[in-house]
Amino acid sequence: EAGVAQSPRYKIIEKRQSVAFWCNPISGHATLYWYQQILGQGPKLLIQFQNNGVVDDSQLPKDRFSAERLKGVDSTLKIQPAKLEDSAVYLCASSLERGNNSPLHFGNGTRLTVT
Amino acid sequence: GDSVTQMEGPVTLSEEAFLTINCTYTATGYPSLFWYVQYPGEGLQLLLKATKADDKGSNKGFEATYRKETTSFHLEKGSVQVSDSAVYFCALFDTGKLIFGQGTTLQVKP
Repeated sequence: EAGVAQSPRYKIIEKRQSVAFWCNPISGHATLYWYQQILGQGPKLLIQFQNNGVVDDSQLPKDRFSAERLKGVDSTLKIQPAKLEDSAVYLCASSLERGNNSPLHFGNGTRLTVT
Repeated sequence: GDSVTQMEGPVTLSEEAFLTINCTYTATGYPSLFWYVQYPGEGLQLLLKATKADDKGSNKGFEATYRKETTSFHLEKGSVQVSDSAVYFCALFDTGKLIFGQGTTLQVKP
């Protein structure tokens, strides 16, 4: 089966600019996650979708980050305006369902550098 | 809240050495426990998992046992190879969230 697809692979922007990341999960996976992985740290959950509804966005900095999953398939994560501390790898993952017996499948991530 | 703590890296070993990467967790419920691996330039991959106390997860020669009494899930391998060089993440799944430790870098030298 095809894996989780993310684009772009790399992005360099200046602070205060905007950026958007795209994720296409594995076909049929109802649950989609966005994680932020800062260099030297483990991934941190930003937002979780179940189909096209938000399940958990408690750690999403909502003053600058937004995400949507229209039609319950693809998802976009946007940062506006970006700060230096947003430099990180943004990982998208999907799973068949929410339970702990449904493993997460990760994309290769988008590496964002904010200068 | 729930959290995962891993031993500091990098861990540097010679080929065929024994590997242990320590992982302890804090959780309010009864989480499932996982080890993920990230090879250079690749995405995170599930290495092994255990869903309840005393379960042993294993894959590719790696093993980890869910120890509820010590809240630990240490990763072990009897004989590492150069190809095992990667970053290893311990994680727990509880109340619908997958929470990661900070990762441990393993470097295996020939």
